[in-house]
Amino acid sequence: DAKTTQPNSMESNEEEPVHLPCNHSTISGTDYIHWYRQLPSQGPEYVIHGLTSNVNNRMASLAIAEDRKSSTLILHRATLRDAAVYYCILRRNSGGSNYKLTFGKGTLLTVNP
Amino acid sequence: GAGVSQTPSNKVTEKGKYVELRCDPISGHTALYWYRQSLGQGPEFLIYFQGTGAADDSGLPNDRFFAVRPEGSVSTLKIQRTERGDSAVYLCASSFGTGVTDTQYFGPGTRLTVL
Repeated sequence: DAKTTQPNSMESNEEEPVHLPCNHSTISGTDYIHWYRQLPSQGPEYVIHGLTSNVNNRMASLAIAEDRKSSTLILHRATLRDAAVYYCILRRNSGGSNYKLTFGKGTLLTVNP
Repeated sequence: GAGVSQTPSNKVTEKGKYVELRCDPISGHTALYWYRQSLGQGPEFLIYFQGTGAADDSGLPNDRFFAVRPEGSVSTLKIQRTERGDSAVYLCASSFGTGVTDTQYFGPGTRLTVL
């Protein structure tokens, strides 16, 4: 499976935008890019996913590089509630175990008031 | 609506004992997953159920671990002869489908401590 690389930690100030990077240089053409986050003492929760085009939803935006070897999760105005570990995950759209989420260590985001 | 629930939220046991961890998925979700999360790590896949059957148990670490889902809804993860290394947070998730864009919804987890 293709691997993702994320910074161990990042820091932001409240109400400022946050850009969380993810490198996936060995991504294949059928890999979808998913982001989940895990708030303290909770299970992971889905944030957003995309394949080639940039995506927006009520939680965040996902910017995907043209060569798809990297992506950036964008939180437009960070709040204290956004402090969490953010996981960038690749899911392959081909037969077999595409149901399986493979988590790395993720990026621990700290939001300062 | 109701999300995925897991009981107990915390379980402390002694080495060598047997434990059962329960997961109630979201109603109508046919796919159910168990993951294990050690301190400082991301969750690791253990087993996947489609309906009542275990479609993929490749992540179970050894034969002390077993999971069932007899009626296609509630699932129980069973650990025999617990060891200190089994201490972790056990997470359950469910999804409506298993396609690459299907979202998995996670419960809050059960924190297992083996003394």
